[in-house]
Amino acid sequence: DTEVTQTPKHLVMGMTNKKSLKCEQHMGHRAMYWYKQKAKKPPELMFVYSYEKLSINESVPSRFSPECPNSSLLNLHLHALQPEDSALYLCASSQPRQAYEQYFGPGTRLTVT
Amino acid sequence: KNEVEQSPQNLTAQEGEFITINCSYSVGISALHWLQQHPGGGIVSLFMLSSGKKKHGRLIATINIQEKHSSLHITASHPRDSAVYICAVRSYNTDKLIFGTGTRLQVFP
Repeated sequence: DTEVTQTPKHLVMGMTNKKSLKCEQHMGHRAMYWYKQKAKKPPELMFVYSYEKLSINESVPSRFSPECPNSSLLNLHLHALQPEDSALYLCASSQPRQAYEQYFGPGTRLTVT
Repeated sequence: KNEVEQSPQNLTAQEGEFITINCSYSVGISALHWLQQHPGGGIVSLFMLSSGKKKHGRLIATINIQEKHSSLHITASHPRDSAVYICAVRSYNTDKLIFGTGTRLQVFP
């Protein structure tokens, strides 16, 4: 199984809503990533979890809150987002700190109204 | 200057043409990735290279570590190859990928 799954596929939320994005992998990978991608731009790294601990936070605003409940799951909790946060949110996984491939999920297309 | 530069930014081709996309980087790396993204879609990993050359079907990727340069070749291009191709490097002792800006390829029948 070389799949990273993400739910939901699409999400529309208001600026006062609280929602969560979910990511799951069963490849035994111990590093998981959240990326944000705007149209026609490369992905921007947001967070990295390594062995279920937050290892990289790329100065992401606190309205984005990551959580890694176990080695297979990664969540991104969203609260009080702004319209400029509308983007494709991609999850990825790999083995940490080694030259292994990153496997990407299909993404969640988020629209903030 | 970006740490990872790709060229060209946009590329159009007729079906059947041989295509080359280039990637240059300025940091020491442990691996280089070639990724494919179709419009509105997720990202697929095509290759991961740390030296030499890899081939998968009609796709060939090469890397020259001394020159800090990699190329992605597509032989006998097909309209379904139309996508954005992204070069990304992983520098030493880090979980981070540094992405190039991507090459948008359109192959016409």
